[in-house]
Order: sequence, then C-alpha cells, then structure tokens
Amino acid sequence: ILNVEQSPQSLHVQEGDSTNFTCSFPSSNFYALHWYRWETAKSPEALFVMTLNGDEKKKGRISATLNTKEGYSYLYIKGSQPEDSATYLCAYTGASKLTFGTGTRLQVTL
Amino acid sequence: DVKVTQSSRYLVKRTGEKVFLECVQDMDHENMFWYRQDPGLGLRLIYFSYDVKMKEKGDIPEGYSVSREKKERFSLILESASTNQTSMYLCASSNNRDSLAKNIQYFGAGTRLSVL
Repeated sequence: ILNVEQSPQSLHVQEGDSTNFTCSFPSSNFYALHWYRWETAKSPEALFVMTLNGDEKKKGRISATLNTKEGYSYLYIKGSQPEDSATYLCAYTGASKLTFGTGTRLQVTL
Repeated sequence: DVKVTQSSRYLVKRTGEKVFLECVQDMDHENMFWYRQDPGLGLRLIYFSYDVKMKEKGDIPEGYSVSREKKERFSLILESASTNQTSMYLCASSNNRDSLAKNIQYFGAGTRLSVL
C-alpha cells in the first residue's frame, strides 16, 4: 500500500494569516497529484490536479506547487479567512486509482 | 451543476443485516467509486467501476460487494454488516475525458453508517 503523508495533521490560524501544508508521496511511478477541500457536512471538492514536475496552480487565495522528483506538494493559503476552515486532502495516483492522505484540518478564527 | 447524491446521510443497522448504500450521479460519468473514511486514516477505496456492469476491487474490498446496472447508479452492499464496518462512506464519480488518474472526482456528501 502506497504511503501518502500530510502534515501538519491540524492547524489553527488567525484570520489574515497565511499558511501552508505539505503532502508527501512516492516519487516513483508518479502520474498525478490531486488536492481536495472537505468542509464539515459537505462533499469534498477538487481544488487542483497537477501532473508535471514544477507545476504551480492557483485558485483565488489558494495555490499549490508540485515536486515529483522529491515527492512533495505544498498547498498555500494567503490571508486565511474563516470560510477556509476545512480539511485539505491530497491524493496521489501512480496508475489509476487515487491514494489519499489523512488530511490537514485547518481552523481559521477571527 | 454537478451532482452526486447518496441516498442516506445517516444509517443505523444491526450486526448481520444486509445493507445497501445507494449513489446516483447526474453527470453521465463513466467512472464511479466507493470509499470509506475512518479517523486517522485517509479515504480508502473499496470498489470502483469504469462502466456499466464492470467492477474492480479497491484496497479494502473484503466484506463488500457492488452493483452497477445503470450508468448513473452505483450501489455498495454489505452482505452481513459487522461492527467494524461502522464508518463514513463516500461515493464519487469522474468522467473519461482524460485518464482515470487525472480526472477530478466529484463526491457525494457521505453516509455515516453505524452497525450495532
């Protein structure tokens, strides 16, 4: 079973703070890396899918980078807002199915 | 708007019961998936299907079966529910526009199943 690790497990920041979290995955047989946001009582929603080493993606205040050679991806949130509170999941795929990490739970308070 | 609907948000069943979890998507997606989420563990794939009547085992298929008689519907079946199947179950779907690996998955809101 492939190992996808996310850190930190949880994070508590103040509104306006910028933050980032890490997803580590196997660097061999890499095909794609997904990021999802999962708000409480809602469905997980896709943020990004990245495939190429050096990829950078941005959606509003959220951005992500990808390093496939060393097997990590960073997710950045600039100027956190309470509505950013959620669990952020990354998922690695080497062939067909996704292998998910355990997530980083972000809490943004006023 | 993309929609994946799971029939129940909460379900309580007894040990030994046969349990059906239903999932319907309205996006004409070819691929459908069943995951379970447990504390401290990532989403784990139980089964997936890439076409009607086709199914593939995921990482933890033991104790489960699936049915895909129509493209829009993917059912997860617990033949004889056990307490270790108490979990949050999530259904997802994706299209075949790109490879299975690259396609965004669209998730339902989940079914929290308790087996007593």
